[in-house]
Amino acid sequence: EVQLVESGGALVQPGGSLRLSCAASGFTFSSYWMTWVRQAPGKGLEWVAHIKYDGSGKDYEDSVRGRFTISRDNADNSLYLQMSSLRADDTAVYYCVRDAGWYRFDQWGQGTLVTVSS
Amino acid sequence: QSALTQPPSASGSPGQSVTISCTGSSSDIGDYNYVSWYQHHPGKAPKLIIYEVTKRPSGVPNRFSGSKSGNTASLTVSGLQAEDEADYYCSSFGVTKNDVFGGGTKLTVL
Repeated sequence: EVQLVESGGALVQPGGSLRLSCAASGFTFSSYWMTWVRQAPGKGLEWVAHIKYDGSGKDYEDSVRGRFTISRDNADNSLYLQMSSLRADDTAVYYCVRDAGWYRFDQWGQGTLVTVSS
Repeated sequence: QSALTQPPSASGSPGQSVTISCTGSSSDIGDYNYVSWYQHHPGKAPKLIIYEVTKRPSGVPNRFSGSKSGNTASLTVSGLQAEDEADYYCSSFGVTKNDVFGGGTKLTVL
C-alpha cells in the first residue's frame, strides 16, 4: 500500500523557517517526480514545488521561489520542503503528492499544517 | 484568477446527475489529453478520480466520468450520493506552474 506521511508542520513566526518532511513507502520512490501542494484556509489547492525522480530538476511556484527549497533522499524514501522567510500567506495545509506523470497526482498524504503568525 | 476556470458551486439532488466544467485554453486543455480531476473532502487528503480526460483509477465508481470538448473539460457525477458532496478540482498538463489547479467547485447534494 502506498503511503505518504508528512510531518514538521508547526506554528512559526513571520520571517521564521520550517522544514517539512514526507516519508514515502509502498512504491519505488526513486522512480517518481514528487510534488508539494498546499491549501490555505478557505482557498483552493495550490501547486508549490516539484522535484524530478533523481533530484536533478526542481521548479517552484512564483511566490515561494527563492524562499522554499524542495529536496529528496532516495536512499531514505523521503521528500523535504525547507521553508524560510515565512509569511502569513504561507499558512496552509501542505500535502506531499506523488506525480505519476503529466500532472497526474495519484497519491496524496494527509497533510501537515503550517501556521505563520505572531 | 486560475488559468483553469471552474464554477464555484454546483448542486443536485440524490440520484440526479451533475456536470462540472473546467475551461482552459488551446495551450493546455485544448492541446493535451492530460486532464485530471480530484475530489477533496475537507480535512481529508484529495483523491484522484479522473485522469487523462476519461480514465478512472481503480476503485473509483463508474458514476464519475470525464470528457473534453475543445478547451473545456467536464466531470459528470451520475446517480448523486450524499458522500459525493465535496470540493472538486481540475488540472491539466500545459498550464503554468502558478495555475496547475482550477479554482475548485463545491458540490452540494441537496
